[in-house]
Amino acid sequence: NAGVTQTPKFRILKIGQSMTLQCAQDMNHNYMYWYRQDPGMGLKLIYYSVGAGITDKGEVPNGYNVSRSTTEDFPLRLELAAPSQTSVYFCASSYWDSGAPNQPQHFGDGTRLSIL
Amino acid sequence: SQELEQSPQSLIVQEGKNLTINCTSSKTLYGLYWYKQKYGEGLIFLMMLQKGGEEKSHEKITAKLDEKKQQSSLHITASQPSHAGIYLCGVFRLGYGQNFVFGPGTRLSVLP
Repeated sequence: NAGVTQTPKFRILKIGQSMTLQCAQDMNHNYMYWYRQDPGMGLKLIYYSVGAGITDKGEVPNGYNVSRSTTEDFPLRLELAAPSQTSVYFCASSYWDSGAPNQPQHFGDGTRLSIL
Repeated sequence: SQELEQSPQSLIVQEGKNLTINCTSSKTLYGLYWYKQKYGEGLIFLMMLQKGGEEKSHEKITAKLDEKKQQSSLHITASQPSHAGIYLCGVFRLGYGQNFVFGPGTRLSVLP
């Protein structure tokens, strides 16, 4: 069972470079999320999506962009990498509808990103 | 201040000892999740509590929800090195961007 797959696992970028973090899920979940996790700071929501073609900002969206063209994929784009974006990034997915609320999130293994 | 607070922030116990981690919400709790994270890995879902007074167990881990206190506790009996990691509580907030909110986590170390 693949679940939520994130690539790459590690990456080092130079300031000003761009990259896309990939996320794919095979559970037919309608909700997908991107978080960043900084030491001692917990998880901060960057962007989320409630379905293909629909995305919205979370708590810390500046410097990032997302798209959701399919149910399965939810890539996160960094356009101009800055040192403040050094973090561990997690993608997650969940299923929600009014008849089945409160379903838990499933997480990928994370992408460890360093901006130098 | 954060919506979810966890205590203690970190914990070091000897193998075989019992321990408790608390999660307190500043808002009314309708349901709560517990996750475990090992270093370098994603979050693993442990259990979900939906009703006040509800108690669930998974192997040697038991979690309870106290709606009146707006609090949940996670109790580990006879801890093992495999229990080491970061434990996070989380809640699902409809109408708040329809997303999950997580506590800052409790880092648990178990000494053999």
